[in-house]
Amino acid sequence: HLVQSGAEVRNPGSSMNVSCKTSGDTFINYVFHWVRQAPGQGLEWIGGITPKFGTTDYAPNFQGRVTITADESASTTFLEVSTLRVEDTAIYYCARLSGYCGNRCYLNDALDVWGPGTKVIVSS
Amino acid sequence: SSELTQDPAVSVALGQTVTITCRGDYLINSYATWYQQKPGQAPILVIYANNVRPSGIPDRFSVSTSGNTASLTVTETQAEDEADYYCGFRDASRNLLMFGGGTKLTVL
Repeated sequence: HLVQSGAEVRNPGSSMNVSCKTSGDTFINYVFHWVRQAPGQGLEWIGGITPKFGTTDYAPNFQGRVTITADESASTTFLEVSTLRVEDTAIYYCARLSGYCGNRCYLNDALDVWGPGTKVIVSS
Repeated sequence: SSELTQDPAVSVALGQTVTITCRGDYLINSYATWYQQKPGQAPILVIYANNVRPSGIPDRFSVSTSGNTASLTVTETQAEDEADYYCGFRDASRNLLMFGGGTKLTVL
């Protein structure tokens, strides 16, 4: 079960910060990803984080403008997007990758749990 | 543009069988993952790997792969199957995810 922060309205050039809290599972054992969906458009992968090892991966389109972090004590992952543009207006979803991270990760190729999404509007 | 290509829309008569395809070089010798999204809702996982379905997903949904094309087949299509379907792929070697552009399934 993933709980995301509330909707945001931001000006172009500013930053957004969306959170995604896990409940009912051991946060550190999973890999989390962020996906966005612009109005009327398809799904777009932003990046992911493996809290167990502190590693992150980003889609080439977002490199340098996006930061994904995790707070194990709060069982929460965060997505920050800087230098916002009008075209960043979208619903931002967090999702858990199926699998488990112990001493190493045993992962499946599926996002099996999705958050409800956070609507972000970028407008002047 | 997406590296995975889907037809934008497909329609099927109630109770009939429909196949939704996803093409891309990443899919050679690999399975796609399939997600269903209904209006105003978050996507849900439908099926992945060699026909692995989460609990609650009926076995009317199945997958196959051939060459660079992955297919999602829905048999005995129900009205509640009307939704957008997205294929996805995880490149484990580069830790990248990608999605197809989505296919809108209409049940007539």
